[in-house]
Order: sequence, then C-alpha cells, then structure tokens
Amino acid sequence: GESVGLHLPTLSVQEGDNSIINCAYSNSASDYFIWYKQESGKGPQFIIDIRSNMDKRQGQRVTVLLNKTVKHLSLQIAATQPGDSAVYFCAESLPTQGGKLIFGQGTELSVKP
Amino acid sequence: DTEVTQTPKHLVMGMTNKKSLKCEQHMGHRAMYWYKQKAKKPPELMFVYSYEKLSINESVPSRFSPECPNSSLLNLHLHALQPEDSALYLCASSRERNTEAFFGQGTRLTVV
Repeated sequence: GESVGLHLPTLSVQEGDNSIINCAYSNSASDYFIWYKQESGKGPQFIIDIRSNMDKRQGQRVTVLLNKTVKHLSLQIAATQPGDSAVYFCAESLPTQGGKLIFGQGTELSVKP
Repeated sequence: DTEVTQTPKHLVMGMTNKKSLKCEQHMGHRAMYWYKQKAKKPPELMFVYSYEKLSINESVPSRFSPECPNSSLLNLHLHALQPEDSALYLCASSRERNTEAFFGQGTRLTVV
C-alpha cells in the first residue's frame, strides 16, 4: 500500500553540525515531494520541494536529494541551529489520486547547543 | 502574503454542540485542504477542494461537513463529535493541486 516512512524517528545533533533526515516512499507514481518543519503548537511550515524530474534541489542552508531508483528522499540541513529543532515531515503527492499529499511519520530533530 | 488564517485557535465543544472551523487565504490559491493531526502523528488528509468543488473526501464521517463558499474561504462544520475527534485541525492551500501547500496554524479542538 501507500506509505511514506522515515528511517529515524529522532535525531540529535550538535549546533553547527550538518543534519540529514531520511525518508522512504513506496509509491513510484509520486511525482512531487515536499519537506515540512513543524514546531510545537504550530502548523507545518514549507521548507523545500522537489519534482521527480530532478534529483537535487538547494535552498538556504537546506538541500533535498531524491533517489527514485530506491524511492528515497533526504533533507540536509547545513550548520544546524537551535531554531531548527522541530519535527520534520516528508510528504509525497500522488498525481493518480488527485495530487493528494501524504505525509510520512516524521523525525524529531533536537539541536544541542 | 503567504498566510493561511484559521479561526478559532482553540475550541472546546460538547458532543451535542454544533460548531464551525474557518480558514481564509488571499493568495489566489484554487486548492484548499483540511487535515487532522493527532499528537505525535503526521497530518492526515480529510478533504480537498479544487476550484471551490469538493474533489477528495477521504471517507470522513458525516459529522464533519466541509464547505467552500468562495475561492478564499473554507469551512469545516462540526456536529455530534466524539471525544476521539479531539485533534489539531489544519487548513492548507496551494495554487493548484500538486503544487506547494501552505498551512495555517491550526485549530486545537477538544471534544468533551
């Protein structure tokens, strides 16, 4: 069935280090992927997206990598800061199902000062 | 303006009450969504509206009734809810389906 999952439910990093959050998806028909950051008590905040015709996209301090061969998505955060502490969700969009967005289970990132 | 505004922020209602959640965006987005999120869980899709028409209903119980009065507004009418319906209800919008979706801050609903 459809599923978007994460390899690590929690991740603890030192301030200044780089963080890598991983995500596996199972639907090969998914053509659009988004990473969201959700802080406690707030709604998900868009970080970066990537379409299936790309394998890498960079933003400010963030990079998303897409490996369609193994259905794997990752979010890299450079020079992680305490303000990056949050739960990170990957989401996949299924064009065959009206473009609905399905979220993965989430990874909680904790940044130690 | 990339803001999706949800009201109220918090709502406590009894199982016999009728209440409505409201969502508003002025980004000209033509797709709007309702999600439900339980603690420590990912958001779960409930409804999708595209050009003011309901396009996806994820088998949501009829005690939840969505409404899209115009392209900027999305409502979720609640009636005869159960305590297990207590959750964070999130609204989102996107320019079209399958494009980046922006979320509101949610309504924290408690059913007593």
